[in-house]
Amino acid sequence: QKEVEQNSGPLSVPEGAIASLNCTYSDRGSQSFFWYRQYSGKSPELIMSIYSNGDKEDGRFTAQLNKASQYVSLLIRDSQPSDSATYLCAVNLHMLTFGGGTRLMVKP
Amino acid sequence: GAVVSQHPSWVICKSGTSVKIECRSLDFQATTMFWYRQFPKQSLMLMATSNEGSKATYEQGVEKDKFLINHASLTLSTLTVTSAHPEDSSFYICSARDPLAGVRDTQYFGPGTRLTVL
Repeated sequence: QKEVEQNSGPLSVPEGAIASLNCTYSDRGSQSFFWYRQYSGKSPELIMSIYSNGDKEDGRFTAQLNKASQYVSLLIRDSQPSDSATYLCAVNLHMLTFGGGTRLMVKP
Repeated sequence: GAVVSQHPSWVICKSGTSVKIECRSLDFQATTMFWYRQFPKQSLMLMATSNEGSKATYEQGVEKDKFLINHASLTLSTLTVTSAHPEDSSFYICSARDPLAGVRDTQYFGPGTRLTVL
């Protein structure tokens, strides 16, 4: 079992819709959770971090954490074509462990 | 957020030569830096953890004699790919951890170095 799992996608949503990206992790002791965005040919860019159960909102992005169910999600409201990228979930216990990423395609 | 730079951004070299990649934290001191490799359409693969003033910790399957890591200061880590071969062609990305973030240590990534070995 992979430590951090994501659906590889692609997840295709129309412009203006809500994109929902999910991630599950195996280690219950994990304390820090991150979402990175990676455009093709570029390095990952941190977009959200979350540490406690519940929702955390930042602009069009909302991260949701449920430690009991061991999942973390990222919602992107009013999706734009410029949001098309691969989104990496990362979980930190002793070190940062990345999921395989979900490719998001926002179609105009 | 914190800024991490890498140099060069891309390099093309002949098989058998060595290539050095630099990773710098520009506005914070990074006691720990990480080196990743990413092949096309694949996820990040951690190669090694670099701690200032001590030997790097390599992940299983990564040859320490081939990928030399030096973390001589709190703002600079270098990765040297020795005797490079075409299969070493990849996107190499470093990241640095801000120690002031404590347990919620966030890693900031450099822009990456694309290595092509002919």
